[in-house]
Amino acid sequence: DIQMTQSPSTLSASVGDRVTITCRASQSINSWLAWYQQKPGKAPKLLIYRASSLESGVPSRFSGSGSGTDFTLTISSLQPDDSATYYCQQYNSLYTFGQGTKLEIK
Amino acid sequence: QLQLQESGPGLVKPSETLSLTCTVSSGSISSSNSYWGWIRQPPGKGLEWIGSIYYSGSTYYNPSLKSRVTISVDTSKNQFSLKLSSVTAADTAVYYCARHLPQWPFDYWGQGTLVTVSS
Repeated sequence: DIQMTQSPSTLSASVGDRVTITCRASQSINSWLAWYQQKPGKAPKLLIYRASSLESGVPSRFSGSGSGTDFTLTISSLQPDDSATYYCQQYNSLYTFGQGTKLEIK
Repeated sequence: QLQLQESGPGLVKPSETLSLTCTVSSGSISSSNSYWGWIRQPPGKGLEWIGSIYYSGSTYYNPSLKSRVTISVDTSKNQFSLKLSSVTAADTAVYYCARHLPQWPFDYWGQGTLVTVSS
């Protein structure tokens, strides 16, 4: 089984900050990685697929990078609406999610 | 816009079988290349993929749950279903249904339904 590890588990930042969340796979997953945003009481929303491709309708302040085992999600200028929990997911072999990163706005 | 909606009992007794149905609307469950999956999230915790099915009936499951899970499809009703047997309190979670393409992330999700396992 492929394990996904995110860091940090929680993050507090101010509006306008540049924010980075990292995700590490226990073995190479090439670029088969997605990022989701989940707000309380809602289903996850797909933000990025294939490590760096932006899903339609997602603001351009979100970006992803990485390949192999190490990946990052970056928000270039944090907005109040970005307060949420973010999950990475590998789909190289079945599906596994990271444990999540809770992003709070200061 | 594809829509998915989960339905089923919100309370299940320990050792019994959890049964949920996902109804797909504004699209066909037999759409080419579409797979239909179940994901769950215990209260306050992360996401866990349970399994997926193709309209033909081909399935694949999370190895950690495989012995207790059955996913089936009813193309005539545009629905797919989840059965999880021998449930315990650890199976208490919000259960989501979702769509994905082959080896692709989940792009359409239902709103989720909370299932509590308790006597």
